[in-house]
Amino acid sequence: QQQVRQSPQSLTVWEGETAILNCSYEDSTFDYFPWYHQFPGESPALLIAIRPVSNKKEDGRFTIFFNKREKKFSLHIADSQPGDSATYFCAASHLGTGSNRLTFGKGTKFSLIP
Amino acid sequence: GPKVLQIPSHQIIDMGQMVTLNCDPVSNHLYFYWYKQILGQQMEFLVNFYNGKVMEKSKLFKDQFSVERPDGSYFTLKIQPTALEDSAVYFCASSLEAGRANERLFFGHGTKLSVL
Repeated sequence: QQQVRQSPQSLTVWEGETAILNCSYEDSTFDYFPWYHQFPGESPALLIAIRPVSNKKEDGRFTIFFNKREKKFSLHIADSQPGDSATYFCAASHLGTGSNRLTFGKGTKFSLIP
Repeated sequence: GPKVLQIPSHQIIDMGQMVTLNCDPVSNHLYFYWYKQILGQQMEFLVNFYNGKVMEKSKLFKDQFSVERPDGSYFTLKIQPTALEDSAVYFCASSLEAGRANERLFFGHGTKLSVL
């Protein structure tokens, strides 16, 4: 059973548009939700993260929206730029237990229409 | 920025052989991890390691798997013997601490293991 579900599998938008990447989770005891991105040929790197005490976390053009009741969270990329093209992975963990064990989604391959 | 290096980038071996995947973590990091990614699937946690010990492992971390970091050298994942289902990309990661918000894991580029 997949604990963290991510959609869509791939997403293409026009430059300047806002892209929305979605994730949902099963385990209500997850308490930390990071997003990692991976550029072609590179390793995954932390982009932004949120804890359930907040329902929104913003960092520049990247915003996480979090809905604890529905067990969903999403990454919004505003004013999409060509340099944003990458695979984005959502993840979840039990930070409160002192664990850094991440449960990942399958990833969304994000690109801009040339 | 800090880098995690994985050697080799690709390893091809015959089923039943032993393989060792090597990881050179970020120099001052204390926690080390292996994740496994089968083609088209998500990265899945295998194990984490701190102070010379396995702290957590998943059900994917079979008896044939072992990890060690002798004397601060490479953090290694050994599979002995290998099976066809071990074919995957293995990502090593390291972090300075565990259990802190925004404590980022630094990942390597992965080692693609092909078991024939």
